[in-house]
Parts: sequence; C-alpha cells; structure tokens
Amino acid sequence: ETGVTQTPRHLVMGMTNKKSLKCEQHLGHNAMYWYKQSAKKPLELMFVYNFKEQTENNSVPSRFSPECPNSSHLFLHLHTLQPEDSALYLCASSQSPRGHGDTQYFGPGTRLTVL
Amino acid sequence: GQNIDQPTEMTATEGAIVQINCTYQTSGFNGLFWYQQHAGEAPTFLSYNVLDGLEEKGRFSSFLSRSKGYSYLLLKELQMKDSASYLCAVSDMNAGNMLTFGGGTRLMVKP
Repeated sequence: ETGVTQTPRHLVMGMTNKKSLKCEQHLGHNAMYWYKQSAKKPLELMFVYNFKEQTENNSVPSRFSPECPNSSHLFLHLHTLQPEDSALYLCASSQSPRGHGDTQYFGPGTRLTVL
Repeated sequence: GQNIDQPTEMTATEGAIVQINCTYQTSGFNGLFWYQQHAGEAPTFLSYNVLDGLEEKGRFSSFLSRSKGYSYLLLKELQMKDSASYLCAVSDMNAGNMLTFGGGTRLMVKP
C-alpha cells in the first residue's frame, strides 16, 4: 500500500529539538490532513488543507506548524514539544471534503516520542 | 458538537459473527464511515453509509439508522487477522464535512 507515505516512521526528540514530519500522497487527491492519535483517545483532527489552502486548525498549539507546498506534499514542523505530545501522527488525503461521501486514506503514521 | 460512542473492547471466537455498535449525535449528518486499524498501522477504509439500511461487502456489512443515530459493523466468519481496532467516524456538513472519530473498538479474535 503506497498511496499515502509518511517519513520518518519513528522519531525520538528532545523538548528543545526542531524536527519535521513529511507526508506524500500518490492518489491525485486535493485535500490533506494531519491527525494525532494518542493512547486510549479518539483520533484528533489537527489541520486540513484543501487545494493547498489551510481550511481547518483545531486549536492546535503553535509548536506545531503545518506546511503544504502542493497538493501532494504535507509537512508538520515541530519545535519545543512537550512529553504529552508523544503520539502517533497520521496523515490522510481525500479527493475533496466538499464532495459527498469523501473518503480519507491514511498513511502509516509517525510514532513520535518526546523526551 | 458531536458525540460518538462505541464499546472499548470486544472478544469473539474464530468462525463466529460479531457486531460492533456505534451511536452518534450530530447536527449535520453527512455519512458514517468504518475503518479498520491493526496495531501500529494506518486505519484502512471499510465502509461508508449515508442512507438507511445495510451495505454488504464480503464478510463485512455495515448498517445505518439515521433516525436512531445508530450504526453497526457486522463481521462474519471471523478470522484471526480480524483482530484489530474498528473506528466509527461521522461526517458533519456543518463542520465542512470533517470527520469526527469515536474512540475505536478493539476486537480480539480467539481460536
């Protein structure tokens, strides 16, 4: 399954580090999403880009900064994170949320550990 | 806001049938999705319901009742590989068709 890829798959970082997560979709979709999945909690939507424009920011702290240079690539820049930010970060893409029955397809995720 | 509830865990026997329920409350319902997620892997799309009734797809079926705010995922002829978390997600047209996910149901299939 290579429709949506994410790198790195695992990341360990200190609270003072700066790192970036990368997502790439090969499905020709127009929308891309970042989700956070913590243990025993539902998937939380963080950011949405539709046709490269950010359309959702669900009160995410500024230490998380998204970037969408084109419809196929999405980044999540991380700086001065906290241990509670440790989670699985999932990227997804879809044709467009304006469409009826728009289905999101997920990447394998980046398992982030903040020390 | 939205409220989506599903059982936290279920256990079933190989070869049996299991039904995973999901109830929801939303102001602008625009469809319900089921995803399967194996531990450490990506959620994968299973089904989409927007009209009342049963959608069958091989061993998996999904049912929706909009008036009751209720859906279920039915898994038949259970196999060990069906051990996974099953996520219910609702699309809300009043939230730009964004998905809100339930906490997931962890299904354990035993021999």
